[in-house]
Amino acid sequence: DVVMTQSPLSLPVTLGQPASISCRSSQSLVHTDGNIYLNWFQQRPGQSPRRLIYKVSNRDSGVPDRFSGSGSGTDFTLKISRVEAEDLGVYYCMQGTQWPKTFGQGTKVEIK
Amino acid sequence: EMQLVESGGDLVQPGGSLRLSCAASGFPFSEFWMFWVRQAPGKGLIQISRIKGDGSGISYAESVKGRFTVSRDNAKKTLYLQMNSLRAEDTGVYYCTTLTVGVTSDCWGQGTLVTVSS
Repeated sequence: DVVMTQSPLSLPVTLGQPASISCRSSQSLVHTDGNIYLNWFQQRPGQSPRRLIYKVSNRDSGVPDRFSGSGSGTDFTLKISRVEAEDLGVYYCMQGTQWPKTFGQGTKVEIK
Repeated sequence: EMQLVESGGDLVQPGGSLRLSCAASGFPFSEFWMFWVRQAPGKGLIQISRIKGDGSGISYAESVKGRFTVSRDNAKKTLYLQMNSLRAEDTGVYYCTTLTVGVTSDCWGQGTLVTVSS
């Protein structure tokens, strides 16, 4: 299975300041079709996960543009340009290039 | 609007059985791969099973292989997870999800809690 490693696992942030989460895969996530199937999810306390980003850098409908995704090969990043209170929670990366789909351990974004 | 609603979670003794259901609406259910994802208390997300739209393509995580069975009824737009020989480590919230990786919208249910304890 592809192992997804996130860092940091805990991210204290100041509201209004930027934040960045790293995700590294144990194998290249380039699919034979040329796409990279890397998702980012947000899970607010007590809620189900919600997809924010698909195929590395594409925001889902309704996701604020302060969220952005980037990366290639095995290294990926989720950035929040200015953290707002509603952004607090746990963020997961997930690869969908190989079966089974696998998730990172999660990064908890909390107030500093 | 895409929607998934799980049910069937409960407190069960070790060695017991449960069947989870997931009712889908708002999308062409039979065209979607469907997944069960488990989240142990305070822990991360693990895909434990998958099933293709036509009922083929079934696979399981090693931790549940031989004990859990995934199935679907496309006429009823419902996904199932039969869980046998339950263990304490099966405790967690079980989500059904489309776990979509492309441009198609992704959908998760609200989750159903399974607690395995004596």
